Amino acid sequence: GAVVSQHPSWVICKSGTSVKIECRSLDFQATTMFWYRQFPKQSLMLMATSNEGSKATYEQGVEKDKFLINHASLTLSTLTVTSAHPEDSSFYICSASYRGDTEAFFGQGTRLTVV
Amino acid sequence: KQEVTQIPAALSVPEGENLVLNCSFTDSAIYNLQWFRQDPGKGLTSLLLIQSSQREQTSGRLNASLDKSSGRSTLYIAASQPGDSATYLCAVIGQGGKLIFGQGTELSVKP
Repeated sequence: GAVVSQHPSWVICKSGTSVKIECRSLDFQATTMFWYRQFPKQSLMLMATSNEGSKATYEQGVEKDKFLINHASLTLSTLTVTSAHPEDSSFYICSASYRGDTEAFFGQGTRLTVV
Repeated sequence: KQEVTQIPAALSVPEGENLVLNCSFTDSAIYNLQWFRQDPGKGLTSLLLIQSSQREQTSGRLNASLDKSSGRSTLYIAASQPGDSATYLCAVIGQGGKLIFGQGTELSVKP
């Protein structure tokens, strides 16, 4: 299968700072990337859909000013958690696909801890 | 609104057993259904993708079936091994490529 790389795999930051997470499709061009959040012992919740060259589409209840998404190229999408608070601590995972409705490939996830 | 349910939430079996994980969804208008494996603290590994026009897919000891009309999918694992211990997630892929996940089945295979 195709490879999606997510960086960093874990990060600890202080409250009030911003953290950027990168999601790269290494061997294919991804017109669509998705960002998910996963709390302990829970399933994945879709945060937003990232389309190359256009604004991200956020799911209901997700603050777009807090979770900034940029999809500047066909191989890279970034999620920036701005002014992080301890409640933002979570596991963030991205996925990428050739097209929106084809098989999705996932990154290895980023464990964010805000102290 | 699409809802995905997985049963059971947790399963513990002795090594060598064949087992079935269940996934049901409320809206049959799906493009594909995908099964994943997640190890603790890790990302997702895609196991099988079943397109909406297909009824099953096989990979090694894994077999996944799809019945769109009844809103059900099953993942069959043959001759389970301790290395199969993980959380198994099913997800339906709908319009726009959004994946809606079930809560997962936490599988433990005892040696």
